[in-house]
Amino acid sequence: DAGVIQSPRHEVTEMGQEVTLRCKPISGHDYLFWYRQTMMRGLELLIYFNNNVPIDDSGMPEDRFSAKMPNASFSTLKIQPSEPRDSAVYFCASSIMTGGYGYTFGSGTRLTVV
Amino acid sequence: AQSVTQLGSHVSVSEGALVLLRCNYSSSVPPYLFWYVQYPNQGLQLLLKYTTGATLVKGINGFEAEFKKSETSFHLTKPSAHMSDAAEYFCAVRDNTDKLIFGTGTRLQVFP
Repeated sequence: DAGVIQSPRHEVTEMGQEVTLRCKPISGHDYLFWYRQTMMRGLELLIYFNNNVPIDDSGMPEDRFSAKMPNASFSTLKIQPSEPRDSAVYFCASSIMTGGYGYTFGSGTRLTVV
Repeated sequence: AQSVTQLGSHVSVSEGALVLLRCNYSSSVPPYLFWYVQYPNQGLQLLLKYTTGATLVKGINGFEAEFKKSETSFHLTKPSAHMSDAAEYFCAVRDNTDKLIFGTGTRLQVFP
């Protein structure tokens, strides 16, 4: 298994532009999580899905952020318009939520908004 | 509510010395506990986990952790540090909706 795949690995964009981050979870995992990591705030859960349905988006910082999961093998996190304070590493993770399985994380997307 | 406290945001040890990273948890359900490691510019990788059964769990790279219910602790140890152990370590506990609650992380530095 190739693990959780995120793209792109690095993204540099100008303030005001739309940014789309992509994630392919592990096949058979029914939960998908989006996290943001910064030096100041650490690891923050933004949103998570169960069977492609958003369950909890209370961590999404504001309306500029949106996430979708159109099918079991793909999810996107979109920021529109982007701002410099959105600069962070964004991680996607997937899991099966039984038996204390834990999460498998992707390698992350480092976003820089200038 | 479930929570995790990692004591010490930075820990420094000499190569060959004992590594001890502390984690205390709060949980209203039987806890499932996890340690993750994050190397520079990488995602988090599962080191080890406790679900049920033996309270001393062994993980990858020579790490182990002991679940102590009476102390609500799940400290991570390694008898002899290696330079390659330098990374950030996160403790996590399952919450009552089965999500993982992560601690704030401990950065381990290993000096030659």
